[in-house]
Amino acid sequence: GQQLNQSPQSMFIQEGEDVSMNCTSSSIFNTWLWYKQDPGEGPVLLIALYKAGELTSNGRLTAQFGITRKDSFLNISASIPSDVGIYFCAGHYSGGSNYKLTFGKGTLLTVNP
Amino acid sequence: EADIYQTPRYLVIGTGKKITLECSQTMGHDKMYWYQQDPGMELHLIHYSYGVNSTEKGDLSSESTVSRIRTEHFPLTLESARPSHTSQYLCASSEFKRFPVEQFFGPGTRLTVL
Repeated sequence: GQQLNQSPQSMFIQEGEDVSMNCTSSSIFNTWLWYKQDPGEGPVLLIALYKAGELTSNGRLTAQFGITRKDSFLNISASIPSDVGIYFCAGHYSGGSNYKLTFGKGTLLTVNP
Repeated sequence: EADIYQTPRYLVIGTGKKITLECSQTMGHDKMYWYQQDPGMELHLIHYSYGVNSTEKGDLSSESTVSRIRTEHFPLTLESARPSHTSQYLCASSEFKRFPVEQFFGPGTRLTVL
């Protein structure tokens, strides 16, 4: 099956710094999604990308759908303490007849005030 | 954004008990999913449904079962809980027409089997 490699596995940064994380795949996807999960809660959808090369922003978050359709990036600018959590990428390939997502293993973000 | 609810949020039970984890959504989404997640780890799809009376097993084998008798309700049942079932269980839903791939998650049920 399809697999996603998400990196880095964890990040420790100072408040105010910018953050970058990415996901790569050996096969193409038609949709990339980025989620954030707070401790003890379910993942919350941050950004959805539907087109190769697409760059989408949501406040301080910016995500890009790689031109090869095999990768995606998430950037967080001017981090704040509430950005702490686990960030998951997820991809979907529409060639099949299902709507299942393939999830990355997550990036744990810690922000030091 | 979907409103999706899970109960209970936390459950501690003894080995051998039968349990049902409830999941309901109020957005009329036709697709619903169950994931299993160990703390801080990746999500594993264990069941999904594309509509009433439709259920399928996911990518991770699970001893649990599901049913979909009503659009809004997708309960998960364990007939005889074991310590190996200790995990977080997340329910999600997505709609068919506009954004069928975007899944919206409930808050999860953290299950501990003693």
